[in-house]
Amino acid sequence: DTEVTQTPKHLVMGMTNKKSLKCEQHMGHRAMYWYKQKAKKPPELMFVYSYEKLSINESVPSRFSPECPNSSLLNLHLHALQPEDSALYLCASSQERLAVNNEQFFGPGTRLTVL
Amino acid sequence: AQSVTQLGSHVSVSEGALVLLRCNYSSSVPPYLFWYVQYPNQGLQLLLKYTTGATLVKGINGFEAEFKKSETSFHLTKPSAHMSDAAEYLCAVSRMDSSYKLIFGSGTRLLVRP
Repeated sequence: DTEVTQTPKHLVMGMTNKKSLKCEQHMGHRAMYWYKQKAKKPPELMFVYSYEKLSINESVPSRFSPECPNSSLLNLHLHALQPEDSALYLCASSQERLAVNNEQFFGPGTRLTVL
Repeated sequence: AQSVTQLGSHVSVSEGALVLLRCNYSSSVPPYLFWYVQYPNQGLQLLLKYTTGATLVKGINGFEAEFKKSETSFHLTKPSAHMSDAAEYLCAVSRMDSSYKLIFGSGTRLLVRP
């Protein structure tokens, strides 16, 4: 299984809602990532988890809260988002954070719209 | 600091023609280099990567890229374009000393004319 899955595919939420994005991989990877991608822009790194511990937070606002319950799962909890947070949210995984051949495998993304 | 420049936000070729997508990088340390493809509303798929060793790298779907240190380039080529190649192509660089972080270029949209 060389797949990273993400749910839901699409999400529409109001600015007062609380929602969560879910990412799952069963490749035995120990590093997992959240990226944000705005239209016609490249992905921007948000968070990196290594061995279920948060190792990188790229100065992301606290309305985004990541969680790694186990080595296969990565969540992104959303609360009080702004319309400018509307984007494609991509999850990725790799064998290790500092591996020599650190190929990142990406999921299909969750298209988030904040009204 | 590392950076990636992709020349041409849009490249249009005829079906069967050569595809050439340009990528230049800036890195103070030996880089790892990647090409990803992204179809509309989908995630990224790795086409090929350069880490060490052979400078001509072959990838999936008939694509290849050559690492040229003297030109700080990693251009992507395919001898004959197919309609199914129409997509966004992203070049990325990471560092050997902290390889977790991919720095992406701004992307090139490949259009294939019938």
